[in-house]
Amino acid sequence: DTGVSQNPRHKITKRGQNVTFRCDPISEHNRLYWYRQTLGQGPEFLTYFQNEAQLEKSRLLSDRFSAERPKGSFSTLEIQRTEQGDSAMYLCASSGRGWGVEQFFGPGTRLTVL
Amino acid sequence: AQKVTQAQTEISVVEKEDVTLDCVYETRDTTYYLFWYKQPPSGELVFLIRRNSFDEQNEISGRYSWNFQKSTSSFNFTITASQVVDSAVYFCALSEAGNQFYFGTGTSLTVIP
Repeated sequence: DTGVSQNPRHKITKRGQNVTFRCDPISEHNRLYWYRQTLGQGPEFLTYFQNEAQLEKSRLLSDRFSAERPKGSFSTLEIQRTEQGDSAMYLCASSGRGWGVEQFFGPGTRLTVL
Repeated sequence: AQKVTQAQTEISVVEKEDVTLDCVYETRDTTYYLFWYKQPPSGELVFLIRRNSFDEQNEISGRYSWNFQKSTSSFNFTITASQVVDSAVYFCALSEAGNQFYFGTGTSLTVIP
């Protein structure tokens, strides 16, 4: 399978704990995106990388959120001191070069904060 | 303000009926891209189509067709002869000068056998 993969698929944590998610994009894609999706809503943009550079961050991305893509391949999204409002599906997508190219999404990581 | 509006929250049709999903967008850019994605019960978003703002030709792919009208800022999606496998949530999305996508809230389609 050469699609976008995400791990873990599900994460249950207690409020206040830190969590980290991983995304492996399609190998030839240099762009990687993180989105958050809550029930009944469309995905909301969080941040975007081109190679290892983080080029855009949404205002939704509070100081408790940090994302990295150290070698321009896989990416991690960390949430510190989780809150119940962080419960959502976290989606990763990747795309090739160019503007307006389609993004290919992974299966997501469902986070539940108790 | 919502950049992409999908006013139909839920639609139910009987198998073999045609169904149109509406999408209205808002942008001040002259160059932009529009997309449709399908999210089946399994959860993974599947890309369906991409259209740039300079190409208003309608497109047909099998049972799927898309009607892009700049005059009304709409990019509607029609499924002809719907099937149970079409049951999913469908999202319309807009890409402007940046690289992020703005998604609508989705339309949940149920096709009843």
